[in-house]
Amino acid sequence: QSVLTQPPSASGTPGLRVTISCSGSSSSIGTNHVYWYQQLPGTAPKLLIYRNNQRPSGVPDRFSGSKSGTSASLAIGGLRSEDEADYYCATWDDSLSGPVFGGGTKLTVL
Amino acid sequence: EVQLVESGGGLVKSGGSLRLSCAASGFTFSSYSMNWVRQAPGKGLEWVSSIVSSSSQIYYVDSVKGRFTTSRDNAKNSLYLQMNSLRAEDTAVYYCVRDWDVWGQGTTVTVSS
Repeated sequence: QSVLTQPPSASGTPGLRVTISCSGSSSSIGTNHVYWYQQLPGTAPKLLIYRNNQRPSGVPDRFSGSKSGTSASLAIGGLRSEDEADYYCATWDDSLSGPVFGGGTKLTVL
Repeated sequence: EVQLVESGGGLVKSGGSLRLSCAASGFTFSSYSMNWVRQAPGKGLEWVSSIVSSSSQIYYVDSVKGRFTTSRDNAKNSLYLQMNSLRAEDTAVYYCVRDWDVWGQGTTVTVSS
């Protein structure tokens, strides 16, 4: 099982907002920045959020990240059909001395 | 345009070896740490290895220590992953990742038992 815990699936209606959670520990999310990646079917992951809440250029502001304590969240507003993808959180784990990923959340747009 | 292109994947028997390469372009390769991340069929992402810009520090996930070796050639803008004693559980798409922002398209490694 993954060091970071994500719900295996999430769903939402077009135009509405969905949130994906990522739970870690004091040695992972509690003390390190969180990154979020989007993986569209059959493609490589793409960086969505870095340093907890920063968006790379080109990423729509519909995507936002937050962190509180040992958990983080990715929010997607104004949901679109093209947002159907797998979403992964990632961070560094001080106890493991290495990067760790969440198990991924498959987002379905209803 | 920043680009990472992996190559070298293929089908290999258990116990065999493969060498993956990652060709970087569009940025100053020598200034960045690089990583290998893999994804087994139908599974999530797993960090494999990291190497700092100068190659002075290299890290591996426990499951590949002693079997995989990461290296880089800054003059050739290339990253490598030498994989020995391959196991069925190493079957995955292997991605080259710049720092933690840009990902290559991946190369598939299949280890048959």
